[in-house]
Amino acid sequence: NAGVMQNPRHLVRRRGQEARLRCSPMKGHSHVYWYRQLPEEGLKFMVYLQKENIIDESGMPKERFSAEFPKEGPSILRIQQVVRGDSAAYFCASSRLDRGLGSNQPQHFGDGTRLSIL
Amino acid sequence: AQSVSQHNHHVILSEAASLELGCNYSYGGTVNLFWYVQYPGQHLQLLLKYFSGDPLVKGIKGFEAEFIKSKFSFNLRKPSVQWSDTAEYFCAVSKTGANNLFFGTGTRLTVIP
Repeated sequence: NAGVMQNPRHLVRRRGQEARLRCSPMKGHSHVYWYRQLPEEGLKFMVYLQKENIIDESGMPKERFSAEFPKEGPSILRIQQVVRGDSAAYFCASSRLDRGLGSNQPQHFGDGTRLSIL
Repeated sequence: AQSVSQHNHHVILSEAASLELGCNYSYGGTVNLFWYVQYPGQHLQLLLKYFSGDPLVKGIKGFEAEFIKSKFSFNLRKPSVQWSDTAEYFCAVSKTGANNLFFGTGTRLTVIP
């Protein structure tokens, strides 16, 4: 499967624990995006990363959430001290390098990680 | 703030009926527009996209969408739906040159055989 790979598919945590969500982009893609989908809502942008750089984190909660995309390995979305309100589906998407202003590359999505907080 | 509205939350159609799903966005600048589909148990897949040029865009599986700039709309259409079109459909918008997508809340389509 050459698509965007997310793991785990389902993650259960107790309040106060840490959650780590992983995303491996499609081959040849250097941009990674994280989105969150709360029940009965659309996907909300969280963060946009390139290798070793956070480009746009305007959608990230100010506390407890962080993201990285290291030179080697998958992108990680980390949620510290989880609370019930963090229960959601977290989707990762990837795209190729933009070729210029106005030339957004389509984003390809993974299957998501469903995070449940007990 | 930029927002995307999908007014139909759940649409139920019989096979062979025509489909139109509404999408309106609020942003005054130049935008790129997308429709994604999520079949049950699967990830989001790109149906079609508009960047520039002909405002009538044709996508996969017989879907098309029309960008009407004056109405800030990008409605999705299909002349004759099939049972296999049962899925959730998401409209998304990005500012030209930006990378993050703004999604609507989705429309669930159920096609009855």
